[in-house]
Amino acid sequence: EAGVAQSPRYKIIEKRQSVAFWCNPISGHATLYWYQQILGQGPKLLIQFQNNGVVDDSQLPKDRFSAERLKGVDSTLKIQPAKLEDSAVYLCASTQAGYATEAFFGQGTRLTVV
Amino acid sequence: AQSVTQLGSHVSVSEGALVLLRCNYSSSVPPYLFWYVQYPNQGLQLLLKYTTGATLVKGINGFEAEFKKSETSFHLTKPSAHMSDAAEYFCAVDFGNEKLTFGTGTRLTIIP
Repeated sequence: EAGVAQSPRYKIIEKRQSVAFWCNPISGHATLYWYQQILGQGPKLLIQFQNNGVVDDSQLPKDRFSAERLKGVDSTLKIQPAKLEDSAVYLCASTQAGYATEAFFGQGTRLTVV
Repeated sequence: AQSVTQLGSHVSVSEGALVLLRCNYSSSVPPYLFWYVQYPNQGLQLLLKYTTGATLVKGINGFEAEFKKSETSFHLTKPSAHMSDAAEYFCAVDFGNEKLTFGTGTRLTIIP
């Protein structure tokens, strides 16, 4: 079974530039998450999708971050414009719908904003 | 307020010694509890989880954890540390809303 795919693995941009990350979840997984992991901290949820609908985006900085999950499969997360404090690893995870099911994580995209 | 606390951001143990990583949570509802491991430049991998039933849960790589409701704890243990156990470990909790809240992580170092 293929895992959660993310690209790119690494990205370096200057502040005020824009960037986009892509995630393809495990086939059949209805729920998709984007997490932000700042160095030395645990992952923090940015947004949760159920199929192609947003369940929770309360922690997403909507003035600069946006995300979509067209057709309920793969997803993109965009930052525009980027700030220095956005430097982090962005992790995508997917689960089958339901409580306490195992979340499968991609390898993440490491973003450095200079 | 619902929260997850991991005591000790860094833990060092000798190879062959007991590993104990601590996790406490605060919740007004019965939680679902998880431990994940993260190797350098990798995503997170599930070690074990507690949902219902037996409070002692066994996971991969010889790890286990015990849910203690009275202490609101879910500490991770391994009887004998191996060099390959060196990694970052995260305790995570699902407070019944199908999303994980993570602790700040504990970096485990194994001393040869």
